[in-house]
Amino acid sequence: DAKTTQPPSMDCAEGRAANLPCNHSTISGNEYVYWYRQIHSQGPQYIIHGLKNNETNEMASLIITEDRKSSTLILPHATLRDTAVYYCIVRDHTGGFKTIFGAGTRLFVKA
Amino acid sequence: SQTIHQWPATLVQPVGSPLSLECTVEGTSNPNLYWYRQAAGRGLQLLFYSVGIGQISSEVPQNLSASRPQDRQFILSSKKLLLSDSGFYLCAWKGGGNTIYFGEGSWLTVV
Repeated sequence: DAKTTQPPSMDCAEGRAANLPCNHSTISGNEYVYWYRQIHSQGPQYIIHGLKNNETNEMASLIITEDRKSSTLILPHATLRDTAVYYCIVRDHTGGFKTIFGAGTRLFVKA
Repeated sequence: SQTIHQWPATLVQPVGSPLSLECTVEGTSNPNLYWYRQAAGRGLQLLFYSVGIGQISSEVPQNLSASRPQDRQFILSSKKLLLSDSGFYLCAWKGGGNTIYFGEGSWLTVV
């Protein structure tokens, strides 16, 4: 699985959009980008994933650059409950069954 | 729908004592199962994964072992705990779209 790089922490004002970047310059053609978040003392929660097209669901939007070397997770209207550690990972969608999580980005949403 | 449960949620164990954490998945068959550990302030570290009954792969050498006696049961064990075994342990399974879903986690404190 390709490695990812994320900023260690970010702040966001409540009600504003939170944009969390992730670099994955060594991503291969068959690897997807996945995002999870972990609220303190809980198991990680799946948010969204994508291959090359932008994706949106009820939780967030995922924007992947055309060269696929980076992506951005967007929480359109951040709330205090979105304060968590956000993990970006890339993995093979078919043959891979190992997922390694890095340190992630600690997002602080402030009132 | 599929659910994953792990227990106990918290435990405090003395150094040298044995450990058994149990995880079960419901609503699916022959899932890929995982055990992760998260030390304080760190990302997730993959410990073991299993693609079927009796099939265990270890990611890092350590004081722990894993077993899969039944299709939907995954057990993490130790014969003699070390202080360094303290942490947050997470069981997970691979669902649709090759997405990983996590359990609630088990907090282990070795004293």
